[in-house]
Amino acid sequence: QKEVEQDPGPLSVPEGAIVSLNCTYSNSAFQYFMWYRQYSRKGPELLMYTYSSGNKEDGRFTAQVDKSSKYISLFIRDSQPSDSATYLCGGSNYKLTFGKGTLLTVNP
Amino acid sequence: DAGITQSPRYKITETGRQVTLMCHQTWSHSYMFWYRQDLGHGLRLIYYSAAADITDKGEVPDGYVVSRSKTENFPLTLESATRSQTSVYFCASSDQVYNEQFFGPGTRLTVL
Repeated sequence: QKEVEQDPGPLSVPEGAIVSLNCTYSNSAFQYFMWYRQYSRKGPELLMYTYSSGNKEDGRFTAQVDKSSKYISLFIRDSQPSDSATYLCGGSNYKLTFGKGTLLTVNP
Repeated sequence: DAGITQSPRYKITETGRQVTLMCHQTWSHSYMFWYRQDLGHGLRLIYYSAAADITDKGEVPDGYVVSRSKTENFPLTLESATRSQTSVYFCASSDQVYNEQFFGPGTRLTVL
């Protein structure tokens, strides 16, 4: 079993929709959780960074971590076509382990 | 320019040849990483380095060699390339192992 599981999608939504992206993980030692966004043919860029359990909000983006259920979520409100990208979740205790990524398309 | 750069951006080689992918960062970050990205597997760590002359294996190190004689450079060598090493390779750096990793633009490698 991979340490971080993520549904690869693809996920297609209309502009303005609320998007929910989810991952599960198996390594109880993970303390740091991240979401990266990767546009086509580009390197990943950090979108959200959280430590331990809880919520973190940044504009239209909210990251949630539930360590009791080993669940990582990213919510995007009022999604825009510019949000179309691959979203990678990751967990870290020392080395960062990524999920496979979810391809999101937001249609105008 | 400041940041993290990779060269070459595209490379086509033949099975059995040696290939070196270069990575250079200007932030003086202690940590540097090499990942490969493949459909169905996502990003997988090949090797990482905590400082000059300190390297360690990641998830998929077989067939790869790294070195880090200078803090800013972290080359990745495929000693005898195989078709299964066709992939997109990303280099990343970080000031602390838990912190944000900054990724380069990637090298698209094809092994024929």
